[in-house]
Amino acid sequence: ELKVEQNPLFLSMQEGKNYTIYCNYSTTSDRLYWYRQDPGKSLESLFVLLSNGAVKQEGRLMASLDTKARLSTLHITAAVHDLSATYFCAVFLTQGGSEKLVFGKGTKLTVNP
Amino acid sequence: DTGVSQDPRHKITKRGQNVTFRCDPISEHNRLYWYRQTLGQGPEFLTYFQNEAQLEKSRLLSDRFSAERPKGSFSTLEIQRTEQGDSAMYLCASSFDRDTSYEQYFGPGTRLTVT
Repeated sequence: ELKVEQNPLFLSMQEGKNYTIYCNYSTTSDRLYWYRQDPGKSLESLFVLLSNGAVKQEGRLMASLDTKARLSTLHITAAVHDLSATYFCAVFLTQGGSEKLVFGKGTKLTVNP
Repeated sequence: DTGVSQDPRHKITKRGQNVTFRCDPISEHNRLYWYRQTLGQGPEFLTYFQNEAQLEKSRLLSDRFSAERPKGSFSTLEIQRTEQGDSAMYLCASSFDRDTSYEQYFGPGTRLTVT
């Protein structure tokens, strides 16, 4: 059974600081996704990482994937209040003709002035 | 393209009642997924359709749950004899098999409260 672990689960940081969220998973997969969720809202796609060594950047967020280590990171640079949200990583799993995303528990990020 | 839509957005029901949710995927998306998200948790997979065929149903889905996707277009998720533990956000997502990224696009969700 694929397990996806994110850490930290809660992150409180000051504006202007940098931090990294980690996503470890237990089974081979070459597709990993990062989503953002605001309170009471649905999931907004941030990054699609499709191969080992993939790195993508959008604004103050950068995501990377190491399929050999089964690790993805989401790095936040110079955080601003608008980044406050819950961030999920999700690993793509195919099995017996079916497919699904397996999500981590999420990292609730709070950026304080 | 208007994205994935779900109806209703909110549903309050009494324990023991039946409820049905609808999901309209992005047009031409032949893959459709249902997930359930409880407070403070990540979404959990419920079921997957490729066109009209239901290819997987999670162990999370008891016999009280049923999902359909007639003609491979919209999908419905029905919960019979609702229980308080069914209270959650039910998310629908779709993807296109010609998109090699397999990216799933999520709808706004249906929030179910069972009293």
